[in-house]
Amino acid sequence: DADVTQTPRNRITKTGKRIMLECSQTKGHDRMYWYRQDPGLGLRLIYYSFDVKDINKGEISDGYSVSRQAQAKFSLSLESAIPNQTALYFCATSGGPELDTGELFFGEGSRLTVL
Amino acid sequence: GENVEQHPSTLSVQEGDSAVIKCTYSDSASNYFPWYKQELGKGPQLIIDIRSNVGEKKDQRIAVTLNKTAKHFSLHITETQPEDSAVYFCAGTSNFGNEKLTFGTGTRLTIIP
Repeated sequence: DADVTQTPRNRITKTGKRIMLECSQTKGHDRMYWYRQDPGLGLRLIYYSFDVKDINKGEISDGYSVSRQAQAKFSLSLESAIPNQTALYFCATSGGPELDTGELFFGEGSRLTVL
Repeated sequence: GENVEQHPSTLSVQEGDSAVIKCTYSDSASNYFPWYKQELGKGPQLIIDIRSNVGEKKDQRIAVTLNKTAKHFSLHITETQPEDSAVYFCAGTSNFGNEKLTFGTGTRLTIIP
């Protein structure tokens, strides 16, 4: 089983619909992240969370919200989806500075298409 | 903030030859530079990283070099194999925290058998 699991893996929706992407991890990491990947733009950080009570905006948070339901669960919501939110979304975890690795562990991605 | 530029965007290499991907960064305070490999249909995976107190790091067929003066770093893959075909991302940060990690735009490497 994957250490970082994203659901759904693929979703097609219509403009104006509310969408939630879910992420769960079994790595026991405190830090979780949501990234967006677009062709030619690389990976951009949407939101991140260092623990259950900590939520922070990333580079491109407008139009998105998140919820950290538990240490292992971090969900991304699009309240009213628009076509330019069509992208590949990745959840990632890291152990935090006390573990001194810095390595990000990514899920397999959720491809979202907004028509 | 940090700006990381990555070149080339696509690279085709004959199997067995070497591949080099280059990145430049803007923030002279950046001190941690990881490289991630993304295979088709999967999430990126860390393959090697370097910190600013060293100039080169090797791990079998892959190596990363860092030139702090010129603010650029490169990924070198020798004796390329078909399984090296993937998209590679460089990244940089000045505080070792991933919340500040800035990614390059990616290089699609294709190994020609």
